Amino acid sequence: QVQLQESGPGLVKPSETLSLTCNVSGGSISSYYWSWIRQPPGKGLEWIGYIYYSGSTNYNPSLKSRVTISVDTSKNHFSLKLSSVTAADTAVYYCGRHAGGWRGEIDYWGQGTLVTVSS
Amino acid sequence: EIVLTQSPGTLSLSPGERATLSCRASQSVNSNYLAWYQQKPGQAPRLLIHGASSRATGIPDRFSGSGSGTDFTLTISRLEPEDFAVYHCQQYGTLPPTFGHGTKVEIK
Repeated sequence: QVQLQESGPGLVKPSETLSLTCNVSGGSISSYYWSWIRQPPGKGLEWIGYIYYSGSTNYNPSLKSRVTISVDTSKNHFSLKLSSVTAADTAVYYCGRHAGGWRGEIDYWGQGTLVTVSS
Repeated sequence: EIVLTQSPGTLSLSPGERATLSCRASQSVNSNYLAWYQQKPGQAPRLLIHGASSRATGIPDRFSGSGSGTDFTLTISRLEPEDFAVYHCQQYGTLPPTFGHGTKVEIK
């Protein structure tokens, strides 16, 4: 059974960089696409971007200038960096696995981690 | 990007009743790459339906998805107590993948 677990600071100061890691267990990170998705409190879901195990990426145009997603296959994890954060970036951040190629539904999700942007 | 509009925003029903949730896309969804997720408070979304009408592994058959093009529907034939939750639709055929804002199914 594949399991995903997000980790990282729960509090980030405005203008700084949010950094999260998603550890994948119970299966290999290889041969799949992996996404970051976020959900501001009380709001809907927003796709941030995906990465293939080979390292190719695609980002949401609304966040592209501030987002970097990377992968470390030796550690079976992938990471998110979001720069120049503001209060609008406060959200629960989820990592997830695409079932097929990038055109795949998210069949496995992490439990989510709340990141608050505040001084 | 494709905008997904879910209706109604809130659906108040009793256990045993039928729930019909709508998801309308601003343009045609590629090859019916449309998914439905269930989300309970404090939990991650759970995949229910993919490809507009295929149930995910382990999902009870009271959940069904239908539709094509721009109009999609999630039907829960008889609501069980554990079905009261928020339901999100997602299109994943066109970049960027987008989600609707969700429909809350609450106990009447």
